[in-house]
Amino acid sequence: DGGITQSPKYLFRKEGQNVTLSCEQNLNHDAMYWYRQDPGQGLRLIYYSQIVNDFQKGDIAEGYSVSREKKESFPLTVTSAQKNPTAFYLCASTGTGREKLFFGSGTQLSVL
Amino acid sequence: GENVEQHPSTLSVQEGDSAVIKCTYSDSASNYFPWYKQELGKRPQLIIDIRSNVGEKKDQRIAVTLNKTAKHFSLHITETQPEDSAVYFCAASQGGANNLFFGTGTRLTVIP
Repeated sequence: DGGITQSPKYLFRKEGQNVTLSCEQNLNHDAMYWYRQDPGQGLRLIYYSQIVNDFQKGDIAEGYSVSREKKESFPLTVTSAQKNPTAFYLCASTGTGREKLFFGSGTQLSVL
Repeated sequence: GENVEQHPSTLSVQEGDSAVIKCTYSDSASNYFPWYKQELGKRPQLIIDIRSNVGEKKDQRIAVTLNKTAKHFSLHITETQPEDSAVYFCAASQGGANNLFFGTGTRLTVIP
């Protein structure tokens, strides 16, 4: 089950706290993505990065931040500005074609 | 932006029967339509995709059809098996995962 590794599997956030979700890939993919999955809803794009040191906002970027200092790593920080952070977060990457998404196993974030 | 609607939200079929999931999209410029399968507790995985220059594509028991005029596409699963039970997501894009829009998902249950 290699390729993309997300950690932790479960994460709890206290009010006013920032938390960081880890995403590491060993597929040598240039592009990486963060999605949010809520029950009964489709996947919504938070941020994406097509190359190291560059990233773009997706459809629901408010309250989130990312960095892309290494090709292999694309961490997502859920800031205190995100008022409804409880969700399942999926990291993904794409290879040369930039279309087929390879997903990690996800992180479930809950608020205490 | 693109809007993808998916129906039904839940679907139960007897083992061996066929299952059909339908999606509509709003942006006539969309030209790539993938389907992802997410088994319980697992990561989404691409199972089949179709491009706008093709009307139908098959892969063993799975087929996808596309009607560009009506802007809808469908997933067909024949001879369903219990391992087909999962949530299926359709999506539409003009190219590139950064502008891929997902439907809300269909939970398929195959009853043995």
